[in-house]
Amino acid sequence: KAGVTQTPRYLIKTRGQQVTLSCSPISGHRSVSWYQQTPGQGLQFLFEYFSETQRNKGNFPGRFSGRQFSNSRSEMNVSTLELGDSALYLCASSFGQGAEKLFFGSGTQLSVL
Amino acid sequence: QQQVKQSPQSLIVQKGGISIINCAYENTAFDYFPWYQQFPGKGPALLIAIRPDVSEKKEGRFTISFNKSAKQFSLHIMDSQPGDSATYFCAASRNNAGGTSYGKLTFGQGTILTVHP
Repeated sequence: KAGVTQTPRYLIKTRGQQVTLSCSPISGHRSVSWYQQTPGQGLQFLFEYFSETQRNKGNFPGRFSGRQFSNSRSEMNVSTLELGDSALYLCASSFGQGAEKLFFGSGTQLSVL
Repeated sequence: QQQVKQSPQSLIVQKGGISIINCAYENTAFDYFPWYQQFPGKGPALLIAIRPDVSEKKEGRFTISFNKSAKQFSLHIMDSQPGDSATYFCAASRNNAGGTSYGKLTFGQGTILTVHP
């Protein structure tokens, strides 16, 4: 069974640009969550989607947005990139709604120059 | 109230020794406490998890001890191996009034474990 797939693996952008990251959950999983990981702030929750609906959102500015499609695949978008957005963005999926038994992908490493 | 504090930041253990990582939480509404293991270049992987209705859970060499009154929980790795060298994160989440959590894990800052052969 394939794991959580995130693309691209690495991304370099400049300030002011926007970026879209993609996540394909484990087959059969209906919930997708996104986390930001930085050396200074650690792992921080961005948002969770279940059945195409955003169920919860973390304390991030409105520049961070996401969506989930009918096949459970998810995308997150960051507009007007800032240097501080440089981070590893992790996607996690689970069968049901909630934080239990989350399976994480390897992440997208975003560098903002 | 949403914080989870983890210690130590780094830990060096000899092969065969016991590794102990501690976490403390503030929000008494938390009711799910997992531990994740992360290797360089990989995402976190669920190791073991516990709910507050039990004080201890063991899976192989990994044990979670939970102290509800002290709002603390810890991970014990018995017979530590060099392959256990990784970053370990504790986390916590809560259910809403309806009993459905919303996928939000609050993580500790992580512990870098090094096991020397």
